[in-house]
Amino acid sequence: GAGVSQSPSNKVTEKGKDVELRCDPISGHTALYWYRQSLGQGLEFLIYFQGNSAPDKSGLPSDRFSAERTGGSVSTLTIQRTQQEDSAVYLCASSRRSLTGPGELFFGEGSRLTVL
Amino acid sequence: GNSVTQMEGPVTLSEEAFLTINCTYTATGYPSLFWYVQYPGEGLQLLLKATKADDKGSNKGFEATYRKETTSFHLEKGSVQVSDSAVYLCGGGSQGNLIFGKGTKLSVKP
Repeated sequence: GAGVSQSPSNKVTEKGKDVELRCDPISGHTALYWYRQSLGQGLEFLIYFQGNSAPDKSGLPSDRFSAERTGGSVSTLTIQRTQQEDSAVYLCASSRRSLTGPGELFFGEGSRLTVL
Repeated sequence: GNSVTQMEGPVTLSEEAFLTINCTYTATGYPSLFWYVQYPGEGLQLLLKATKADDKGSNKGFEATYRKETTSFHLEKGSVQVSDSAVYLCGGGSQGNLIFGKGTKLSVKP
């Protein structure tokens, strides 16, 4: 597609429910990133994929968070048993593979999650 | 672990003022360094980058030099415009990972 697509753009859920956030990267981009943006916290790294594998999962806040990527394309971030502190904007980004570290990241518009 | 620390705002300047936003990093090895910008109502986009020591990234009148000795990548612009009002994020990473500072909100008044 033309850009990184994320869905849903807005999600309101009740505490304790599970949510799934989807990211469709730019075609041909092998790297995919998930970040969380909260007020006062900046952009918090969650996980990144190179192809279908995740070399770095260090940013996932707890075992309630998981992510997968299939076919080297679409990725899903799942949050189980949501808590109010999970409320944030979840951003996805993709990039081409680069031999000199991270390439230029192209960001989606984000999924705003509100946990009541 | 790796970390990026940047000057926290908000920063308010008058048009044509000189801008500096400080950014320092802690990392093993030699990360690539980036500045991203988020204009009001828009998504994050790359402003400039540097991949090795002493490299200077530049774009839209902004510059930043990768200083290995001070582990810094400060963003500068000689004369800001109202249209530069945005949130600026410093980032760094190697081997594919990329982490960011907390962001600096810049407001430029006419």
